[in-house]
Amino acid sequence: KQEVTQIPAALSVPEGENLVLNCSFTDSAIYNLQWFRQDPGKGLTSLLLIQSSQREQTSGRLNASLDKSSGRSTLYIAASQPGDSATYLCAPDLYGGATNKLIFGTGTLLAVQP
Amino acid sequence: DTEVTQTPKHLVMGMTNKKSLKCEQHMGHRAMYWYKQKAKKPPELMFVYSYEKLSINESVPSRFSPECPNSSLLNLHLHALQPEDSALYLCASSQDAQVDNYGYTFGSGTRLTVV
Repeated sequence: KQEVTQIPAALSVPEGENLVLNCSFTDSAIYNLQWFRQDPGKGLTSLLLIQSSQREQTSGRLNASLDKSSGRSTLYIAASQPGDSATYLCAPDLYGGATNKLIFGTGTLLAVQP
Repeated sequence: DTEVTQTPKHLVMGMTNKKSLKCEQHMGHRAMYWYKQKAKKPPELMFVYSYEKLSINESVPSRFSPECPNSSLLNLHLHALQPEDSALYLCASSQDAQVDNYGYTFGSGTRLTVV
């Protein structure tokens, strides 16, 4: 069974800091990996999608890397802002034969202080 | 249209009620999903529909009954729920359940409270 762990579980930083969120998964047979953010009580917003053949993806201040063989992904946020405060979820898309499964990590709750 | 639309946004129902959650997408995606999310927990997969056929049921109790009338619409019928079923129910879609180059798109969810 795919286990997806995110470290740290919670993080509080002052505005302007660069930070790294970590994700590890036990089953490396993944099709791709997606990072999402979730604001309290809301749905999921996709941030970055990394295909299994790729090593990293960038969007604005966000950069995500993927090392499939070691079962790890990191999300790097540059120059953090209070608006970045949210829960961040990584989700590897696990190969399942006819149907893949998107399995979510435990999440990192980020608070950026002004 | 790049959205997944879920209705209603909020639902309060009694344990003897029957209600339905609705999810719609017009992106031409052929895979649709239901996830359940309890407070402070990650979303958990419930059902997967691929080309309008049920592909995965993650051992969900029969009081939850999914339906996919067409490629754009996904319903979740609820009957005789328990208070512990109160959660945020998220719908998602993707290009294909097996070959997906664009990732998943999620709706904003239905907040369900069972009283």
